[in-house]
Amino acid sequence: QVQLQESGPGLVKPSETLSLTCAVSGYSISNGYYWGWIRQPPGQGLEWIGSFYQSGSTFYNPSLKSRVSISIDTSKNQFSLNLSSVTAADTAVYYCGRLHGFCTSSGCYATFDIWGRGTMVTVSS
Amino acid sequence: DIVMTQSPDSLAVSLGERATINCKSSQSVLSTSNNKDYLAWYQQKPGQPPKLLISWASARESGVPDRFSGGGSGTDFTLTISSLQAEDVAVYYCQQYYSSPLTFGQGTTVEIK
Repeated sequence: QVQLQESGPGLVKPSETLSLTCAVSGYSISNGYYWGWIRQPPGQGLEWIGSFYQSGSTFYNPSLKSRVSISIDTSKNQFSLNLSSVTAADTAVYYCGRLHGFCTSSGCYATFDIWGRGTMVTVSS
Repeated sequence: DIVMTQSPDSLAVSLGERATINCKSSQSVLSTSNNKDYLAWYQQKPGQPPKLLISWASARESGVPDRFSGGGSGTDFTLTISSLQAEDVAVYYCQQYYSSPLTFGQGTTVEIK
């Protein structure tokens, strides 16, 4: 059974970098599938942040592309999200998930079939 | 970006009655190459992550009760719960995966009347 678990600081100061990690169990991310991050501000809808493939290819939402990076650590079977220059608008529950679909140089075309439980990140001084 | 608009924002339905949620996309999500609609539905219960219910507009995921059904094509879609159960109280989201970036509707809250 594939499971994902997010971890990281629950509080980040404005202008700093938000860093989260997603640990995957039950499946080796080196074996395939696309994986990624989604966020949900309090009381609001869902926003796709970005995704990657085990080859190291990354795909980002253009609205966040200038501030986002996703990296992979296959030795630990986990991947990470860095979001720089955060503001209060970045306060949200951050989910990691597995994509069911594919990504190309044009973007990603997939649903999210497995999700982590999410982690709340508040941006505040 | 494709904008997904759901209606209503919330609805209250009696147990055993039908609940219908609408989702409209700002442009067609129907692929002419494979005649498939790139539209999914998710259910999110309080304090939980979203759960994928339906993909390709009408294909239920494994384990999803058959009281959930998806319909529509092109730009207009529906999620129907044929006989509402107490455990169906949740927020429901549609998502398009025809065009990047992936985008979601704003959500529809389903409650018991």
